[in-house]
Amino acid sequence: EAGVVQSPRYKIIEKKQPVAFWCNPISGHNTLYWYRQNLGQGPELLIRYENEEAVDDSQLPKDRFSAERLKGVDSTLKIQPAELGDSAVYLCASSDFRRLAGYNEQFFGPGTRLTVL
Amino acid sequence: SQQGEEDPQALSIQEGENATMNCSYKTSINNLQWYRQNSGRGLVHLILIRSNEREKHSGRLRVTLDTSKKSSSLLITASRAADTASYFCATEEEYGNKLVFGAGTILRVKS
Repeated sequence: EAGVVQSPRYKIIEKKQPVAFWCNPISGHNTLYWYRQNLGQGPELLIRYENEEAVDDSQLPKDRFSAERLKGVDSTLKIQPAELGDSAVYLCASSDFRRLAGYNEQFFGPGTRLTVL
Repeated sequence: SQQGEEDPQALSIQEGENATMNCSYKTSINNLQWYRQNSGRGLVHLILIRSNEREKHSGRLRVTLDTSKKSSSLLITASRAADTASYFCATEEEYGNKLVFGAGTILRVKS
């Protein structure tokens, strides 16, 4: 079974340019997450989707970041315009939230390493 | 903001030794999970312990949870060079579906 797929793996852009990241979750997983991981830190949640609905986007900087998950499958995260401080690894994860069991194991993609010059 | 703090920040041991990493957190939780991240890769789920559990084992991994102290420890026994990675604890808050990660412990196992 394929894991979470992300592309591109690496991206280098100049500040003020737009950039987009793509994620395809594990088949059947209804919950999708985008995280940002700064160097030497743990991932921080940007947005969480359940199917097509963004149920937690409180940490998403909405002035420049946007995300969509059309048809409740794959998702795109966009930054426009990018700033120097956006340099980080952007991780996508998916889960099949087992509500009856009441726990949530997330499966992560390899991430996109963004460098803003 | 990050919920957990791992201790130590970095750990270097010889192959065959045991490695212990600690995690402290701030709020009530539903469960606590440990993840491993190899250099340049995504995170891999290792083990989950629920708030009503005190200890859990999986292969060479042993996790403990003390909710009164809001802390957890991960023990890796008989370490191998392949265990070299960053290890993160993550808490799932009560009644939510959100994982909050700590800053991680960098483990280096020397062969």
